[in-house]
Amino acid sequence: QMQLQESGPGLVKPSETLSLACTVSGGSMNGFFWNWIRQPPGKGLEWIGSIWNSGNTYYNPSLKSRLTISVDTSKNQFSLRLNSLTAADSAVYFCARGNFFEDGNYMDSWGQGTRVTVSS
Amino acid sequence: DIQMTQSPSSLSASVGDRVSITCRASQDIITYLNWYQQKPGKAPEVLIYAASRLQYGVPSRFSGSRSGTDFTLTITNLQPEDSATYFCQQAYSTPDTFGQGTKLEI
Repeated sequence: QMQLQESGPGLVKPSETLSLACTVSGGSMNGFFWNWIRQPPGKGLEWIGSIWNSGNTYYNPSLKSRLTISVDTSKNQFSLRLNSLTAADSAVYFCARGNFFEDGNYMDSWGQGTRVTVSS
Repeated sequence: DIQMTQSPSSLSASVGDRVSITCRASQDIITYLNWYQQKPGKAPEVLIYAASRLQYGVPSRFSGSRSGTDFTLTITNLQPEDSATYFCQQAYSTPDTFGQGTKLEI
């Protein structure tokens, strides 16, 4: 069964850049797309963006100007970079595998999440 | 963005009960609607995809339905382990958006 694991710093200073990686194990990255989602403490889920193996990316417009998602299939890894951080970016960040078919798509495998706090 | 209005925000029920949670989309999303269950400190897990398709391994007491832009997650014969927060998600257009969540207490 495929597993996903986020990695990155737990504490980042305001105005700096957050870099997170998601390592995929237990299978090939081919045939899926790859997502980042975040959840501020005690709040709901916010979709950040996704990347397909073709390299095509789709970003949440609310984050697009600060966001880069990339993939390295040779390392079985995809990454997120979010710059100009503020306290509002503090959240648990999840990576997730996206599965698509003729009638839609959904996220069927998730990492455990990594907590990121933006504070000086 | 497509808005997903989920209700109720919380509910309490007993073992063996049947409950329903609803999400209303702000525009037509056909059947591009998924339901997730999230337990405290854990990642969400998909229960239902494409409005009514049961994810492999999910108990059959979970079901989903659609009526226009209204979507319902129904849980029958509630079990203690169903205590969790449930989210709907539209995957029809970017950005994907989630409902606000429903906290179910057993």
